[in-house]
Amino acid sequence: DAEITQSPRHKITETGRQVTLACHQTWNHNNMFWYRQDLGHGLRLIHYSYGVHDTNKGEVSDGYSVSRSNTEDLPLTLESAASSQTSVYFCASSTRGGGGTASRFFGPGTRLTVL
Amino acid sequence: GDSVTQMEGPVTLSEEAFLTINCTYTATGYPSLFWYVQYPGEGLQLLLKATKADDKGSNKGFEATYRKETTSFHLEKGSVQVSDSAVYFCALSDQGAQKLVFGQGTRLTINP
Repeated sequence: DAEITQSPRHKITETGRQVTLACHQTWNHNNMFWYRQDLGHGLRLIHYSYGVHDTNKGEVSDGYSVSRSNTEDLPLTLESAASSQTSVYFCASSTRGGGGTASRFFGPGTRLTVL
Repeated sequence: GDSVTQMEGPVTLSEEAFLTINCTYTATGYPSLFWYVQYPGEGLQLLLKATKADDKGSNKGFEATYRKETTSFHLEKGSVQVSDSAVYFCALSDQGAQKLVFGQGTRLTINP
């Protein structure tokens, strides 16, 4: 069965370290998204991609970067982790088109703690 | 910009009670509207959606109607169960943008 996976599921790191969170989907979806979930804020969009070699900034992109070298993967990198980036991170994917009606499939999330 | 506002939680109900979770939105175009559910320790799952005015989305006994005149998409269920305990997110997607804008989420707890 097709799925979307994230790794690691839990990560503890120190301020200033570089951290990469992996997202892998086997739906063959063109669109992939990274969100962070914080109490009182719901989910906020960090970065997104509409296809290979395409990346775009979301509303909270500062301190994060992504690259899309193939259809299946969209890794999220924290260049220099900060305590404000302690959060739960969700990856999602969807098909192209549909005028915005295409449903998103979400990964199980990665809980990141920056000490 | 586009935005979604949900009723403040947490919401606690007894089993078999009637549920309403309010959601209103602001958008410049004609968005699609969604309700997602997040069970403890899991990612979000699509619960239902509506793509145009007056459409009603429904799934697992939950319903929501796209009301353009009141810019609302309230979630309702006639008789809730303990298994409905979760966090519920209202979201919109602008027709051309492919991106989802989420509300802040409403935590629902159902007591037996």
